[in-house]
Amino acid sequence: AQSVSQHNHHVILSEAASLELGCNYSYGGTVNLFWYVQYPGQHLQLLLKYFSGDPLVKGIKGFEAEFIKSKFSFNLRKPSVQWSDTAEYFCAVRNQAGTALIFGKGTTLSVSS
Amino acid sequence: DAGITQSPRHKVTETGTPVTLRCHQTENHRYMYWYRQDPGHGLRLIHYSYGVKDTDKGEVSDGYSVSRSKTEDFLLTLESATSSQTSVYFCAIRGQGINTEAFFGQGTRLTVV
Repeated sequence: AQSVSQHNHHVILSEAASLELGCNYSYGGTVNLFWYVQYPGQHLQLLLKYFSGDPLVKGIKGFEAEFIKSKFSFNLRKPSVQWSDTAEYFCAVRNQAGTALIFGKGTTLSVSS
Repeated sequence: DAGITQSPRHKVTETGTPVTLRCHQTENHRYMYWYRQDPGHGLRLIHYSYGVKDTDKGEVSDGYSVSRSKTEDFLLTLESATSSQTSVYFCAIRGQGINTEAFFGQGTRLTVV
């Protein structure tokens, strides 16, 4: 079965530090990849998505992610985090049938001011 | 925000009672999903629908049933609630087409006592 692994369970950073959250997926064919963010007490919101083309994807709020097919990875990055980036981040891949999203277990990011 | 309404937003119920959660959309999207979110597990797919009266199971479907009699409504039923079904339940919708993302509702916090 397809799966998504997020290596970091909880990341703690100071404001202005750089961020990289790891995401690996198991399926080797054509993939659609997503990063969602969940702010405390809220629902999931899309940060960015990759379907095809340029493997470096830019999303909202200064986030970007790089699709590296050879490594089955789709890591999320931000050069300088803010306190308001404190949230839980989920990586997801569309399943092979194209019918649903499979999520990783999430990474909690805590940013101190 | 996408037009998704979940009801109720909070519910406390007793073990063994039936519970129905409702997801209503105003986007006329083809796909609708029910996920549960639990600490350490991320989001796990319960059931999804790809059209009126067309549904399929996700990875954690045991103890749950769904129905979709209209495009806009997707119901999740716990036939006999158990404490292990205490969770936050999210509905999501997605349009037809491979290059589409899912939009999430605000969630329903269900506590089974």
